[in-house]
Amino acid sequence: KAGVTQTPRYLIKTRGQQVTLSCSPISGHRSVSWYQQTPGQGLQFLFEYFSETQRNKGNFPGRFSGRQFSNSRSEMNVSTLELGDSALYLCASSLADSYTDTQYFGPGTRLTVL
Amino acid sequence: GENVEQHPSTLSVQEGDSAVIKCTYSDSASNYFPWYKQELGKGPQLIIDIRSNVGEKKDQRIAVTLNKTAKHFSLHITETQPEDSAVYFCAASDDGANNLFFGTGTRLTVIP
Repeated sequence: KAGVTQTPRYLIKTRGQQVTLSCSPISGHRSVSWYQQTPGQGLQFLFEYFSETQRNKGNFPGRFSGRQFSNSRSEMNVSTLELGDSALYLCASSLADSYTDTQYFGPGTRLTVL
Repeated sequence: GENVEQHPSTLSVQEGDSAVIKCTYSDSASNYFPWYKQELGKGPQLIIDIRSNVGEKKDQRIAVTLNKTAKHFSLHITETQPEDSAVYFCAASDDGANNLFFGTGTRLTVIP
């Protein structure tokens, strides 16, 4: 079974721009969660989508948004990029049969904001 | 919200020795505790997890113990090998949401 895939793997943007990241979950998984990883703040939860609905949200500004499609693929958007948005963005998928399902991570998208 | 603390931040062991990483959590509602291994340039990989109705779980050289009363859980790796070198993260989650609160990570180095 193929794992979680994320595209693109690397991205360079400038301040003020916006960016869209994509995540394809493991086949059959209905939940997709997004995390931000930085050296200073570590791994932080952004939001979770299940059945095309945002089910939970972390403590990030409204510039961070996402969506999920009917095939469970998910996209994350960051508008008006700031230097501090430079990070590794990870998505994780799970079956979501229960709320505490095992999450499997993709390789991440490395975003650099100049 | 949940707060997960992880110690030590770095750990060096000789090949063949054991390694122990400890985490504490603050929210008594947390009931799911996974451990992830992250190698350079890769996403976190689940290595073992435990749920609050179990005190200990083993998978070959890896074991996790959970003490709900004290709100701490630990990862034990026996007979360490150079390929165990990586950053290890503990995490906690409660039944209210499918989101993980992570510890700050432990960089494990196994010296051949």
